[in-house]
Amino acid sequence: AQSVTQPDIHITVSEGASLELRCNYSYGATPYLFWYVQSPGQGLQLLLKYFSGDTLVQGIKGFEAEFKRSQSSFNLRKPSVHWSDAAEYFCAVDRDDKIIFGKGTRLHILP
Amino acid sequence: KAGVTQTPRYLIKTRGQQVTLSCSPISGHRSVSWYQQTPGQGLQFLFEYFSETQRNKGNFPGRFSGRQFSNSRSEMNVSTLELGDSALYLCASSGEGYEQFFGPGTRLTVL
Repeated sequence: AQSVTQPDIHITVSEGASLELRCNYSYGATPYLFWYVQSPGQGLQLLLKYFSGDTLVQGIKGFEAEFKRSQSSFNLRKPSVHWSDAAEYFCAVDRDDKIIFGKGTRLHILP
Repeated sequence: KAGVTQTPRYLIKTRGQQVTLSCSPISGHRSVSWYQQTPGQGLQFLFEYFSETQRNKGNFPGRFSGRQFSNSRSEMNVSTLELGDSALYLCASSGEGYEQFFGPGTRLTVL
């Protein structure tokens, strides 16, 4: 069955520190991959997407993600987090126009 | 371009009632998808409409239904509400590409 796994439910980092959020997917072929962010009480905003080509993709707000086929992973990174990055982050795959989301990782920022 | 709008933003209903939620996609987008978000189950795909036809459906009971109008606006209906239907209902629209743009959601509370 197709699935998306985000192993970390909560992550806490200090402001200015680097960040990596993990995502693994299970698919036979390379799916379309996404990272979304959701602030409290808000809808989802797309941070970045991977369809094909360069495995390192750049997104908005200084985020990037790397697709690693051998590890079935699509981890999200940011070199230096800001307090405004505190939110919930969702990894997702698109297959046949149906987006399947991971359970999300809530990011907490320490001042 | 205006974003995806959802009305109402908040709704309180009692068990057994029915509810209709509305979604207006981004101008020019013909695909509208609906998702249910709960703390326990996370984000789950309900259904997708394209040019007034349901193109994809998730694993929800028949109490959940939807439709799309010729102007691409979409409604979803939940009949015979249950306590477990309390959730944030998100609508997303997409155009020619695979990227989905999400609305702010409708928060449904069933008492």
